[in-house]
Amino acid sequence: DAGITQSPRHKVTETGTPVTLRCHQTENHRYMYWYRQDPGHGLRLIHYSYGVKDTDKGEVSDGYSVSRSKTEDFLLTLESATSSQTSVYFCAISERQGAQPQHFGDGTRLSIL
Amino acid sequence: AQSVTQLDSQVPVFEEAPVELRCNYSSSVSVYLFWYVQYPNQGLQLLLKYLSGSTLVKGINGFEAEFNKSQTSFHLRKPSVHISDTAEYFCAVSDQQGGSEKLVFGKGTKLTVNP
Repeated sequence: DAGITQSPRHKVTETGTPVTLRCHQTENHRYMYWYRQDPGHGLRLIHYSYGVKDTDKGEVSDGYSVSRSKTEDFLLTLESATSSQTSVYFCAISERQGAQPQHFGDGTRLSIL
Repeated sequence: AQSVTQLDSQVPVFEEAPVELRCNYSSSVSVYLFWYVQYPNQGLQLLLKYLSGSTLVKGINGFEAEFNKSQTSFHLRKPSVHISDTAEYFCAVSDQQGGSEKLVFGKGTKLTVNP
């Protein structure tokens, strides 16, 4: 399995609080992604990174920010969490986009009360 | 922009029966196609991929898929399923054009294999 670690694995927090999720990889892959998974919606891309300090928005980026200061770490931040951001969040990595498949972490279950 | 439609949200089958999970896509350019499987409380694992060449692609755990360009489909099949195949399956597509070829996922099909 690809070396991807997401932390925390579970988190419960209150509306309006800041939340940061971490994705750590040991594969030295260039591309990293954050998705959210919700029933009936499949996986939707939030943000992705194509290198250190290089990031771009995905389909559902509103309310989220990301940072990548090192190749191995990709952080997802909810500046002021809302109940609509309750979801399961997955990090993925790939050597490059397109033909190379993405490898996924085990997910973070985030509940915002 | 590309999109993916998985025609069945849930598919119940009996053990040792054949199964087909349907996937259709839309794109204005050539695509790469993927099937992923997600077991409960886990991340997604790659089952198989179509990049080019033979339209019949074999993957892990006895699954295979056939790319049909004229019908823009990439259906997943297994001739005889096991209880352990119970999982959610996602079809995904990526454009072949250079640039930001991001993966777009279908909404998933939950396969339940009953004894």
